[in-house]
Amino acid sequence: GENVEQHPSTLSVQEGDSAVIKCTYSDSASNYFPWYKQELGKRPQLIIDIRSNVGEKKDQRIAVTLNKTAKHFSLHITETQPEDSAVYFCAASMGRDDKIIFGKGTRLHILP
Amino acid sequence: DTEVTQTPKHLVMGMTNKKSLKCEQHMGHRAMYWYKQKAKKPPELMFVYSYEKLSINESVPSRFSPECPNSSLLNLHLHALQPEDSALYLCASSFRTGPMKYGYTFGSGTRLTVV
Repeated sequence: GENVEQHPSTLSVQEGDSAVIKCTYSDSASNYFPWYKQELGKRPQLIIDIRSNVGEKKDQRIAVTLNKTAKHFSLHITETQPEDSAVYFCAASMGRDDKIIFGKGTRLHILP
Repeated sequence: DTEVTQTPKHLVMGMTNKKSLKCEQHMGHRAMYWYKQKAKKPPELMFVYSYEKLSINESVPSRFSPECPNSSLLNLHLHALQPEDSALYLCASSFRTGPMKYGYTFGSGTRLTVV
């Protein structure tokens, strides 16, 4: 089955700097890659997603890149703000079933 | 209405109790999911319902029993749970199953404590 590895497990960046979280997946049949943000005690919320026919997608300060050949995808947050502090999960999903497989998560701390 | 509503928000139950978790959405989504999330861990898929039929059961113990009475409602019946079942139980829904998981939305969860 699919396996998603996520790094780093913890990331601290100065406010205003950029943050990058990287994920790899194992099954080349995966074709959908969402990213979720989960604040303490709250639900995971979809912040951006990318389909396998696209290499990059951007939404304001957030961007995701996908390298299908290498089977890795990354989340980039620019001009980080205190409210970006949360746990971020990458995930992968295949077209032939209904599962979304999550990475282990990255705890992002934005330092003042 | 663009939300998935879960009740109760918190539940404490004994190991001999029977209780149910409820999930409701009115977005016309035809796929609904149950996840279990332990502290500092990612959500783990338990069950998937597609058009009110159970399509995936991730080898979940029988003390968890899902039910989908209609396209808007998903229940999780709990019986004879163990303390290690204490977790945040998340419901999610999407427009349809299969690729892309359009509109995949999580509820706020039920925090379950088994004593």
